Amino acid sequence: QVQLQESGPGLVKPSETLSLTCTVSGGSISSYYWTWIRQPPGKGLEWIGYIYYSGSTNYNPSLKSRVTISLDTSKNQFSLKLTSVTAADAAVYYCARVAVLAATPAQVDIWGQGTMVTVSS
Amino acid sequence: QLVLTQSPSASASLGASVKLTCTLSSGHSSYAIAWHQQQPEKGPRYLMKVNSDGSYSKGDGIPDRFSVSSSGAERYLTISSLQSEDEADYYCQTWDTGMVFGGGTKLTVL
Repeated sequence: QVQLQESGPGLVKPSETLSLTCTVSGGSISSYYWTWIRQPPGKGLEWIGYIYYSGSTNYNPSLKSRVTISLDTSKNQFSLKLTSVTAADAAVYYCARVAVLAATPAQVDIWGQGTMVTVSS
Repeated sequence: QLVLTQSPSASASLGASVKLTCTLSSGHSSYAIAWHQQQPEKGPRYLMKVNSDGSYSKGDGIPDRFSVSSSGAERYLTISSLQSEDEADYYCQTWDTGMVFGGGTKLTVL
């Protein structure tokens, strides 16, 4: 079955760039949307953005100026970059697969296990 | 603006049933939503998707104790024969130009 695994530094300095990668195993990255979602400690889920296998993207307006999501189909991976991080960006970051309905993104149907990112000097 | 509203907490006894509610904002009563479960110290797991007409689809391996329904702008998740492992946070999620999550309901199994 399809599994997702996040990887990347667990500690990022303020004002620097957070970079995470999600590796998809057990299936192809093609024909789906892929998303990043985060969860600050003790809080709810916040959508960051998603990318289609074609490369088209859509971002949360509140983060859009700082976010880039990209895809590497040859490695079956997609990545997140979040620039100019502050303490408010500390969270567990999840990558996930998004089901496609009539060529548009629908529900998240597979989640990664998540990775905690701390922002501190 | 597309918003999902959930009660912050709910509780029910072991072996009983509980019905959780997710309410779509005004003008969005035709939207489908998905339910996700997050057990303590774990990542979320997709449970089910429910459409406005009550039709639904389940995630892989989700027990029949979990069911969904719809009425107007409300979407429901009912868990029957509650077990201790059902104690978790439950989030609803929908989609439009982007993705939206409800604030989550913390379910306590007494």
